[in-house]
Amino acid sequence: EAGVAQSPRYKIIEKRQSVAFWCNPISGHATLYWYQQILGQGPKLLIQFQNNGVVDDSQLPKDRFSAERLKGVDSTLKIQPAKLEDSAVYLCASSLDPTGVGVEQYFGPGTRLTVT
Amino acid sequence: GNSVTQMEGPVTLSEEAFLTINCTYTATGYPSLFWYVQYPGEGLQLLLKATKADDKGSNKGFEATYRKETTSFHLEKGSVQVSDSAVYFCALSSGGSNYKLTFGKGTLLTVNP
Repeated sequence: EAGVAQSPRYKIIEKRQSVAFWCNPISGHATLYWYQQILGQGPKLLIQFQNNGVVDDSQLPKDRFSAERLKGVDSTLKIQPAKLEDSAVYLCASSLDPTGVGVEQYFGPGTRLTVT
Repeated sequence: GNSVTQMEGPVTLSEEAFLTINCTYTATGYPSLFWYVQYPGEGLQLLLKATKADDKGSNKGFEATYRKETTSFHLEKGSVQVSDSAVYFCALSSGGSNYKLTFGKGTLLTVNP
């Protein structure tokens, strides 16, 4: 079974530029998550989709971050304009059923963003 | 709100040493508890989990017991190998509408031959 795919793996941009990350979850997984992992910290949930609807975006900086999951499959996370503090690894994860106790999330390899 | 506190790293051990990484949590309700591992250059992967008090999760020689009375989920392994070198994250999921994961900061483990 193919895992969660993400691209690009690395991206370097200047502040105030825009950037987009792509994620393709495991086939059949209805739930998709985007996390931000700043160096030395644990991942922090930015947004969660159930199919193509948003379940939780309470920690998404909506003035500069946006995400969509058209057709309930792959997803794109965008930052516009980027700030220095956005430098982090952006992780995508998916799961079969978000409402089950102890449900496992499967993570992609991440995209390392450096903002200069 | 929910939070996870795990021991500061880095932790450096010799091969075959005993490992403990402490993890305590604060949560409403009855959370599920997880340990995720991140090997160099790879994504996070689930190591083990426990979904109710006194449950023991185990995998690859690692164990952790869900202790509700001490709100802890410490990770242990009796004899570590060089291949166990990685970053270990404790996490919880407390249900509600989305069962989102709340992670600790991670502990870097280096095992020397």
